[in-house]
Amino acid sequence: AQSVTQPDIHITVSEGASLELRCNYSYGATPYLFWYVQSPGQGLQLLLKYFSGDTLVQGIKGFEAEFKRSQSSFNLRKPSVHWSDAAEYFCAVGEYGNKLVFGAGTILRVKS
Amino acid sequence: NAGVTQTPKFQVLKTGQSMTLQCAQDMNHEYMSWYRQDPGMGLRLIHYSVGAGITDQGEVPNGYNVSRSTTEDFPLRLLSAAPSQTSVYFCASSYPLAGGGNEQFFGPGTRLTVL
Repeated sequence: AQSVTQPDIHITVSEGASLELRCNYSYGATPYLFWYVQSPGQGLQLLLKYFSGDTLVQGIKGFEAEFKRSQSSFNLRKPSVHWSDAAEYFCAVGEYGNKLVFGAGTILRVKS
Repeated sequence: NAGVTQTPKFQVLKTGQSMTLQCAQDMNHEYMSWYRQDPGMGLRLIHYSVGAGITDQGEVPNGYNVSRSTTEDFPLRLLSAAPSQTSVYFCASSYPLAGGGNEQFFGPGTRLTVL
C-alpha cells in the first residue's frame, strides 16, 4: 500500500535560515511526487512536482526538492526562509499524479 | 477561468441530516476527486471520477455518495451525517501533462461541522 511519512509535525526556523522538510514514501511503482502548501483557512497550492528526469526539481517561491530513490525520500528545501513561508506543508504521492496519498503535514513556524 | 469552485464554504448539520457539497470546474478536466482533511491526517481520498458517468471509491468512501453526470460537476452527498464526518472537504480536478502524469487543482474547500 502507498504511504507517505512526514516525520516532523512542527518545525520552527528563524527568518533567513535554511529549511528542509522531510518526506519518505512507500510506493510500488514509479512514484509521482508532490509538495503542496496550505496557509491557514486556505486551499492547497502546488509548490513542485517530480515525475521523472532530473532528481532535483525547482518549484515556486524559491523551493526545491530532491528525489532520492535509494532512500525513498523527497525532501523539500529552501535556502532562506521568509516570514510569509509560515504555513503547513504536505508531501503527496500518486498514481500518475491522481489518487494522491498525503502525508500528515508539517507546520512551519518562522521566528523573527 | 474560475478553476475549481466549491459551495458552500461553511455548513453546520445535525446528526442524521443530509446534504450535498457542490463542486464544479470549468477547465474541461476529465478527472475529479473528493478529499477530506482532518488534523494530523493530511488529506484522504473519498471518491474519484475518471469521466462523466464513471466513479470509484477512494480510501474513505463510507457514508458518502457521488455521481458524475457532466464533465463540469462532481457533487458529494452525505445521506445521513455523523459527527465523524466533521471535516474540511476539498474537491480537485486534474489534467494530463504533456510529459506524462497529471496535475491536480484544488478548490478552496468546504468546512463541515456535524453536531
